[in-house]
Amino acid sequence: QKEVEQNSGPLSVPEGAIASLNCTYSDRGSQSFFWYRQYSGKSPELIMSIYSNGDKEDGRFTAQLNKASQYVSLLIRDSQPSDSATYLCAVTPFSGGYNKLIFGAGTRLAVHP
Amino acid sequence: KAGVTQTPRYLIKTRGQQVTLSCSPISGHRSVSWYQQTPGQGLQFLFEYFSETQRNKGNFPGRFSGRQFSNSRSEMNVSTLELGDSALYLCASSLAEGGDPYEQYFGPGTRLTVT
Repeated sequence: QKEVEQNSGPLSVPEGAIASLNCTYSDRGSQSFFWYRQYSGKSPELIMSIYSNGDKEDGRFTAQLNKASQYVSLLIRDSQPSDSATYLCAVTPFSGGYNKLIFGAGTRLAVHP
Repeated sequence: KAGVTQTPRYLIKTRGQQVTLSCSPISGHRSVSWYQQTPGQGLQFLFEYFSETQRNKGNFPGRFSGRQFSNSRSEMNVSTLELGDSALYLCASSLAEGGDPYEQYFGPGTRLTVT
């Protein structure tokens, strides 16, 4: 079992729709959770961090965390073609220290006009 | 505020050689982490430095090493290069104290090709 799992996609959504990206993790002691966006040929860009159960909203983005289910998700409202990228879920493991990020393989999102 | 910078951006080396990559963190950030990204393995953690000390290490052979200087700048070194070391090497910095200490911001990366 991989430590952080994501559907590879591609997830295809029409412009203006809500894109829902999901991530599960295996380390029950994980404390910090992050979503990054990576455009082709570029480095990852931090979108959101979340540390507590529940929702956290930032503009068109909402991160949701459920530690009991070991599940974190990212919702993108009013999706735009410029949101087309690979979205990486990252988790800090319990024993690895807060600055060791374990990444999922990423979900490719395609927003079509 | 300037972002994370990495030099060089591209590098071509021959098997058996060694290479040194450099990273300058965001001003005020004291933690620097290094990652390797390949199509097959994705993003993998190499090591993390804080106050010139290695705090965390990933599952990479000893050929991969790093260090951090008093100004928080960091270097990583790969000795005896192998073809499989061809990858994008990413550096990320975080505050480590105060604010949101755990958010990591990535530099543009160094693309290493080993021939």
